[in-house]
Amino acid sequence: AQTVTQSQPEMSVQEAETVTLSCTYDTSENNYYLFWYKQPPSRQMILVIRQEAYKQQNATENRFSVNFQKAAKSFSLKISDSQLGDTAMYFCAFMSPTGTASKLTFGTGTRLQVTL
Amino acid sequence: NAGVTQTPKFRILKIGQSMTLQCAQDMNHNYMYWYRQDPGMGLKLIYYSVGAGITDKGEVPNGYNVSRSTTEDFPLRLELAAPSQTSVYFCASSPGRTNTGELFFGEGSRLTVL
Repeated sequence: AQTVTQSQPEMSVQEAETVTLSCTYDTSENNYYLFWYKQPPSRQMILVIRQEAYKQQNATENRFSVNFQKAAKSFSLKISDSQLGDTAMYFCAFMSPTGTASKLTFGTGTRLQVTL
Repeated sequence: NAGVTQTPKFRILKIGQSMTLQCAQDMNHNYMYWYRQDPGMGLKLIYYSVGAGITDKGEVPNGYNVSRSTTEDFPLRLELAAPSQTSVYFCASSPGRTNTGELFFGEGSRLTVL
């Protein structure tokens, strides 16, 4: 079974600064998907960024980018130019492409606080 | 579009009571899911469905039941509530076939069992 580990329960960053959230995972599969989901205080979770394991290029979505190290099984999220609206819980998630549904395995989350 | 709608948002149950958490989506998604989120933990999959009339167990199905009679609705039934079922429950949906991993979540239902 796959496991996802987020070792930083809480982080804080000042507005306009850059912060990196860590995620490691364990799997024996060669092809898979990795995700970062954001859960703002309103609690509705939304997808931030997605990475396909067979793609060597790191995914980027505006101010959000990932550092995907397949050999190390590491998948960190970098948030540049942090904004107050980035305050949220961030979950790293893993998905195997096999199977009939998008069954995700989630990490325990990192609570990010953006301060003035 | 409303997206994924969950009701109720909050509920307190006594031990042994039963209830149904409602979930509806208006995006014509084939796949629907129920997760629970305990404090300090990640989301755990309870049940999922790949279409009307088809459901399957996830990681933590004990104490729950589901049905999927329509594409839009995916209710979660709690029978004989126990304190261990105190949690926040999230319903989610995703389009079928593409299986890209993007889930669309509801706002959650906070359940307390006393």
